[in-house]
Parts: sequence; structure tokens; C-alpha cells
Amino acid sequence: GNSVTQMEGPVTLSEEAFLTINCTYTATGYPSLFWYVQYPGEGLQLLLKATKADDKGSNKGFEATYRKETTSFHLEKGSVQVSDSAVYFCALRATGNQFYFGTGTSLTVIP
Amino acid sequence: ETGVTQSPTHLIKTRGQQVTLRCSSQSGHNTVSWYQQALGQGPQFIFQYYREEENGRGNFPPRFSGLQFPNYSSELNVNALELDDSALYLCASSLASGRANEQFFGPGTRLTVL
Repeated sequence: GNSVTQMEGPVTLSEEAFLTINCTYTATGYPSLFWYVQYPGEGLQLLLKATKADDKGSNKGFEATYRKETTSFHLEKGSVQVSDSAVYFCALRATGNQFYFGTGTSLTVIP
Repeated sequence: ETGVTQSPTHLIKTRGQQVTLRCSSQSGHNTVSWYQQALGQGPQFIFQYYREEENGRGNFPPRFSGLQFPNYSSELNVNALELDDSALYLCASSLASGRANEQFFGPGTRLTVL
């Protein structure tokens, strides 16, 4: 079956620290992988995506590389800001149009 | 371009009642998916509609039902509400074709069942 496992939070970092949020997946076929972000009181927004092995998605300083050999799609950012405080969801889209989400990782960045 | 909108924003119901949630998809999108997001959890897929037909369903009982209209807007209906139905209900629209089509999410409807 299809599933996503995310690093459990919450994660608290100081401003300008390095961020890694781990994500691994199980999927049939060749999924596309996504990171979504959810700010308090809002819906999910796409942060970045990758559609095939070795693709790197990037946006707003965040990056994630689709690693088929380790079935991983870890999210990284070199220097976090207070405004990055949110909940981050890793997701996959397998055959069909259904998305499978991880449980989310809450990030708090303190000044 | 208009984004995905949902109504109402918040709703309070009691056990056993019925509820209808509404979603307007993003312009040009013909596919709508509904998700239930319990507090502290990731969204769980309820079902998807493509061109007014159900096109996939997650592990939810039949009392969760839906509709899609010719303009691609959609409704989620939940009958015989239970306390565990309290959650944020998210609607997402997309284009059906393409492997990497992202889903655009609405802000959600917060349902509280007392």
C-alpha cells in the first residue's frame, strides 16, 4: 500500500539554524512527492514537489531530493526564519489522483 | 484566477444531525478531493470527484457522501454525525491529468460535533 512516515515533532529551532525534517514513503509504482505547509488557521499550501527519482524540488530556500534508493524525501533549509514557523506535511501521489499525507511536523522558530 | 473556497468556515452540530459542506474549485479544475484532518493529524482522503462522478474513495463509511456539480463545485454530506467526526474538512481541486499535478487546498471548514 501507500503511506508516508514523517519525523515526529514538535521541532524548535533558533533563527538561522539548519532545518531537516525527515520523510520516508512506501508506494506502489512511481509516486510524485510533495511538501505542503500549513500556517495557523489556514489550509495547506504547496511548498515544493518532485516527480521522479533524483529530482530536487526547491522553493523559498527549502529543498528536498527524491531518493528512490532510500525511499526518502527529506526537507531541508539552511537558515530558518521566524516566519517559517508552521506545520509541514510530506505527501505522495501514486497512481490515480489520491494524495497520502504524513502526520505533519510542527516547526517553531524562535528569535 | 480564483482559488479554492469553502463554506462555512465553522460549524457546530450535535450527534445524529446531518451536515453539508461546500467547496468551489479553482478556475479550470475538474477534479475535487475531500479530506478529513483531525487535530494534530495529517489529512485523510475521503473521496474524489471527477466530472461529477466519484473517482476513488478512502476508508470512510457510506454516511460520508458527496456530489459534484457541472461547474465542478462540490458538496460533502455527512449523516448521523458522531463525536469523532469533529475535524477540519479540506477540499482540494486539481486537473485530473498529469502525474505531478498538485492539489490546491481551500482553507477548510472546522466542524465540531457536540
